[in-house]
Amino acid sequence: ETGVTQSPTHLIKTRGQQVTLRCSSQSGHNTVSWYQQALGQGPQFIFQYYREEENGRGNFPPRFSGLQFPNYSSELNVNALELDDSALYLCASSLGRPSSTDTQYFGPGTRLTVL
Amino acid sequence: AQSVTQPDIHITVSEGASLELRCNYSYGATPYLFWYVQSPGQGLQLLLKYFSGDTLVQGIKGFEAEFKRSQSSFNLRKPSVHWSDAAEYFCAVGARNNNDMRFGAGTRLTVKP
Repeated sequence: ETGVTQSPTHLIKTRGQQVTLRCSSQSGHNTVSWYQQALGQGPQFIFQYYREEENGRGNFPPRFSGLQFPNYSSELNVNALELDDSALYLCASSLGRPSSTDTQYFGPGTRLTVL
Repeated sequence: AQSVTQPDIHITVSEGASLELRCNYSYGATPYLFWYVQSPGQGLQLLLKYFSGDTLVQGIKGFEAEFKRSQSSFNLRKPSVHWSDAAEYFCAVGARNNNDMRFGAGTRLTVKP
């Protein structure tokens, strides 16, 4: 039990639609990262937020965007969904300022299927 | 950029046997190395991490890992596997500020009774 929750658990969308995934971090966790995990692969870094500002981005197009809110919740938005966006989306939070030494606490993920 | 290779896609061991999962990394500077475990339907749980100091790192659930710079490896070990250890294991290498952590493709562990 990491204290990080994600909603919804599962989601089915069609190509071209837009989706919003939500994450609720532990109180006091100012850093949140989002990852995409395709079937049979390891997670891939999408982006990170610290105190509501983007703090780094992986190799994902601009149609992947995010928001972080003062109440330690965050969102991942994906526009113009493509079939390849089907994956498990994970959020991970950590305490304080972003640091390579800080432990990330992962949520259980949202399984997105794009038809 | 940093990268991680986990050479074994799937490993099967008998309960009570020893376990070693391999991880090789590529990174120009001193790496920050992690092992995570993922059970079905669950998120990733940190088993252990290495940043500096003693190259043998102890983690949770009886796991340990050894950092070998000369071999660019960070292999995970456990002396006696339990059936509850069956899961997917991921090795990861972190960069500055942890904002581009690279994961390997994972090794799926099956435990035979």
